[in-house]
Amino acid sequence: KQEVTQIPAALSVPEGENLVLNCSFTDSAIYNLQWFRQDPGKGLTSLLLIQSSQREQTSGRLNASLDKSSGRSTLYIAASQPGDSATYLCAVRPSGTASKLTFGTGTRLQVTL
Amino acid sequence: NAGVTQTPKFRVLKTGQSMTLLCAQDMNHEYMYWYRQDPGMGLRLIHYSVGEGTTAKGEVPDGYNVSRLKKQNFLLGLESAAPSQTSVYFCASSYVRDEQFFGPGTRLTVL
Repeated sequence: KQEVTQIPAALSVPEGENLVLNCSFTDSAIYNLQWFRQDPGKGLTSLLLIQSSQREQTSGRLNASLDKSSGRSTLYIAASQPGDSATYLCAVRPSGTASKLTFGTGTRLQVTL
Repeated sequence: NAGVTQTPKFRVLKTGQSMTLLCAQDMNHEYMYWYRQDPGMGLRLIHYSVGEGTTAKGEVPDGYNVSRLKKQNFLLGLESAAPSQTSVYFCASSYVRDEQFFGPGTRLTVL
């Protein structure tokens, strides 16, 4: 059974700092991995999708990497801003015919002034 | 382009009552999903659909039923609500196994 872990559970950084969020998964047979952000009381917003054949994806100040063989993904946020404060979730989709994502429990990020 | 929408946004039920949550998407996605999110438990898949007229069970299907009569709609039903079903419910959709897009959620309280 696939298990997805995100450490740390919470993180506080000063504005302007570069930071890395970690996601690890136990079964490397994945189809893709997706990073989301969730603001309090809101739904999930998709940030980046990495296919299993890719090593990284970039969108603005965000860069996500994938090392499938070691079961790890990182989300790099450059020059953090208070508006980046949210919970960040990663989710993996298995290869094969299964359709469901397995989610981590998230990292709650606070960017302080 | 509204994306994924959910109705209602909030609902309070008494134990034993029934209700239906509606999810609609305007992206012509084949796959649709219902999740629940609980503190400390993360997101768990209830049911999903890989196309109009199809449904399948996820991790926590007991106490819920679903229907996908139209490609753009996915309904989640609670026939006899229980306090354990107090949760935030999210609907999502994707074009086959690609990026998933989520709705804003329905906050349900069962007394």
